[in-house]
Amino acid sequence: AQKITQTQPGMFVQEKEAVTLDCTYDTSDPSYGLFWYKQPSSGEMIFLIYQGSYDQQNATEGRYSLNFQKARKSANLVISASQLGDSAMYFCAMREALSSNQAGTALIFGKGTTLSVSS
Amino acid sequence: DTEVTQTPKHLVMGMTNKKSLKCEQHMGHRAMYWYKQKAKKPPELMFVYSYEKLSINESVPSRFSPECPNSSLLNLHLHALQPEDSALYLCASSQVYQNSPLHFGNGTRLTVT
Repeated sequence: AQKITQTQPGMFVQEKEAVTLDCTYDTSDPSYGLFWYKQPSSGEMIFLIYQGSYDQQNATEGRYSLNFQKARKSANLVISASQLGDSAMYFCAMREALSSNQAGTALIFGKGTTLSVSS
Repeated sequence: DTEVTQTPKHLVMGMTNKKSLKCEQHMGHRAMYWYKQKAKKPPELMFVYSYEKLSINESVPSRFSPECPNSSLLNLHLHALQPEDSALYLCASSQVYQNSPLHFGNGTRLTVT
């Protein structure tokens, strides 16, 4: 079984600063993908960024980037120039095969990190 | 705006009631999911439908009954729930291929009294 570990229950950052949210994973599959989601207090889960295990470059999406270190099995999310609206819970996730067919996969989430951005 | 629509947004039900949660997507996705989320915890997988067939049931109690009438709709029928079933229920959809992201609805906040 795959496993996602987020060791930071809470992180605090000031506006305009960069912040790194940690994620380590464990899998024996050579092909895998890692996802980051943001969940504000309103509850919706917002997809932020994806990194494939065979991707040559670290993924970037606007202010979000992934520091992907395959040998260390880590996929840390970097948020640059933090904004007040970035305050939310952030989840790292990985697809796990839960049945014998490829269609039987789903995202399994880490415990999450609560990010608080102050002015 | 989310492309996965869940109704109702909030639901309060007694332990003897029968209710249904509804989820709809029009992105052409052939995989749909139900997750349950307690406060300050990660979402926990309940069910996965792939091509309108149930492919994963994560040992969910029978008081939760999923249904996928067509490729755009997903229902979760609730009956004889317990107070500990109070949670945020999230629906999601995705392409079937392995590394496609899940797109979530805004969820239904369920309270069982």
